[in-house]
Amino acid sequence: KAGVTQTPRYLIKTRGQQVTLSCSPISGHRSVSWYQQTPGQGLQFLFEYFSETQRNKGNFPGRFSGRQFSNSRSEMNVSTLELGDSALYLCASRLTGLIVTDTQYFGPGTRLTVL
Amino acid sequence: AQKVTQAQTEISVVEKEDVTLDCVYETRDTTYYLFWYKQPPSGELVFLIRRNSFDEQNEISGRYSWNFQKSTSSFNFTITASQVVDSAVYFCALRMNSGYSTLTFGKGTMLLVSP
Repeated sequence: KAGVTQTPRYLIKTRGQQVTLSCSPISGHRSVSWYQQTPGQGLQFLFEYFSETQRNKGNFPGRFSGRQFSNSRSEMNVSTLELGDSALYLCASRLTGLIVTDTQYFGPGTRLTVL
Repeated sequence: AQKVTQAQTEISVVEKEDVTLDCVYETRDTTYYLFWYKQPPSGELVFLIRRNSFDEQNEISGRYSWNFQKSTSSFNFTITASQVVDSAVYFCALRMNSGYSTLTFGKGTMLLVSP
């Protein structure tokens, strides 16, 4: 079974630009979560989607948004990029978000560098 | 609010040594779930184990073992006879017992195993 895939793996952008990251969950998984990882803040939760609806959201500004498609694939968008947005963005999938014992499986991440 | 503390930022050992990674958590809930993930240099978080708060049995999987002690709010991870391939960052995480609850991660412990 294929794991969680994320594209692109690496991105370089400049301040003020916007970026879209993509995540394809494990086949059969319908919940997708996004996390930001930085050296200073560690791993921080961004949002979770299930059945094309955002179910939970972390403490990030409105510049960070996401969506989920009917095939469970998800995208996240960051507008008006800032230097501090440079990070590894990790996507995780699980069967549903409703069953707390569902384990989240992570993708390899997208490394975003903002210059 | 919940919190996970991994006090060891970095540990260096020589191959075949045993090593224990500490994890202390804080939560007011009586039912919760604890996880360990491994992050090799490739960036992907690899799921290692999930433990329910109502199951304090220790677990062993090959060279890996986990010691869960509710009395001290700790969930420590021991690698026996460490190998170079064990070099990675290890994260402990906590999830509450509610739908769409997120993972709260510790800051991680970098383990360096030298030959």
